[in-house]
Amino acid sequence: LAKTTQPISMDSYEGQEVNITCSHNNIATNDYITWYQQFPSQGPRFIIQGYKTKVTNEVASLFIPADRKSSTLSLPRVSLSDTAVYYCLVGEEGSSNTGKLIFGQGTTLQVKP
Amino acid sequence: KAGVTQTPRYLIKTRGQQVTLSCSPISGHRSVSWYQQTPGQGLQFLFEYFSETQRNKGNFPGRFSGRQFSNSRSEMNVSTLELGDSALYLCASSETGRDTEAFFGQGTRLTVV
Repeated sequence: LAKTTQPISMDSYEGQEVNITCSHNNIATNDYITWYQQFPSQGPRFIIQGYKTKVTNEVASLFIPADRKSSTLSLPRVSLSDTAVYYCLVGEEGSSNTGKLIFGQGTTLQVKP
Repeated sequence: KAGVTQTPRYLIKTRGQQVTLSCSPISGHRSVSWYQQTPGQGLQFLFEYFSETQRNKGNFPGRFSGRQFSNSRSEMNVSTLELGDSALYLCASSETGRDTEAFFGQGTRLTVV
């Protein structure tokens, strides 16, 4: 079975760059890697999505090595409002582009002043 | 543009009963996915519907079922409720599926007593 692994928690300080890595050794060949942010009592919110190499948007960067067995979400200059749980989401190997999705167990990021 | 709407927000049911949850996607979105979130198991994929057809299903028993209507609204049904079905049920909509940004609703909190 696919296993998607993330660190359970991370601490950081305001203004620092935070990198969260997700291991997904059984990712589907043609599937994307997506990262979400979740605050208490809210549904997850899309942060960024990529297939390979590097993707950057206005809030984050996503680094994906050539073998695609891991990905790293990079949050530049975090603030207190970035305190949340971060999830990676990938498709499971053996499925088509519309197959089963596997969430990581989530990384609780605590940003301190 | 209105976001994803899930109803009801909270629900209390008794073991053995059945329940139906509703999800109204963002206008124009044809893909609706359902997820179960619990403290112990995290976020787990239930199933995805696209243009009224179930495209794939996660590893949940047949008591969990769903459907999608021609207006893309989706319902999820759980029959013969068990205590372990207590969870936050989230739906997400996207334009075409997992290769596009998904937007989550706030979820329905189901408590089985």
